[in-house]
Amino acid sequence: DAKTTQPPSMDCAEGRAANLPCNHSTISGNEYVYWYRQIHSQGPQYIIHGLKNNETNEMASLIITEDRKSSTLILPHATLRDTAVYYCIVSSSNTGKLIFGQGTTLQVKP
Amino acid sequence: GAVVSQHPSWVICKSGTSVKIECRSLDFQATTMFWYRQFPKQSLMLMATSNEGSKATYEQGVEKDKFLINHASLTLSTLTVTSAHPEDSSFYICSAWTSPKNIQYFGAGTRLSVL
Repeated sequence: DAKTTQPPSMDCAEGRAANLPCNHSTISGNEYVYWYRQIHSQGPQYIIHGLKNNETNEMASLIITEDRKSSTLILPHATLRDTAVYYCIVSSSNTGKLIFGQGTTLQVKP
Repeated sequence: GAVVSQHPSWVICKSGTSVKIECRSLDFQATTMFWYRQFPKQSLMLMATSNEGSKATYEQGVEKDKFLINHASLTLSTLTVTSAHPEDSSFYICSAWTSPKNIQYFGAGTRLSVL
């Protein structure tokens, strides 16, 4: 599975949009981009995933570049409860296997 | 999203005893379940992949005789930590994969403390 690169930490003001970047320059054609988050001492929570097209759900939007080498997770109106470690993972749908990197620690500040 | 239940959420045991952790997909069938381990301030580390009705596939460096995995039904997988020692103390997390949606849903985790 392709590796991802994320900034180790980011801050965001409450009520503003949080834009979390992810690089995955070695992604293969059959690999999806997944985003999960983990709030302290809990299991990871699924946020969103996509293959080529941009995706939006009730939690977030996922913007994937045309060459698929990078993506951005957007939380449109960050709240204090969005403070968590956010993981960007690329994975083939054939195995379902997720290999977690170090993620980005997002701190939402009042 | 789909619900994955993990039990117990917290367990303390004496060194040398065995501990069983259960993982259930409550509202969907999961042909594949995964087990992870997470040490403090570290990321999740995949331990093994469990397919219903077959032997689990362990990641490199994970002792299969120490971490016994059973996946007897489409909704239940168990992880047994045999002869637990203090170094096995960790946060163990399971997940269940639903192939139509290509999404892995996670349990809340089990914190194991071995004295």
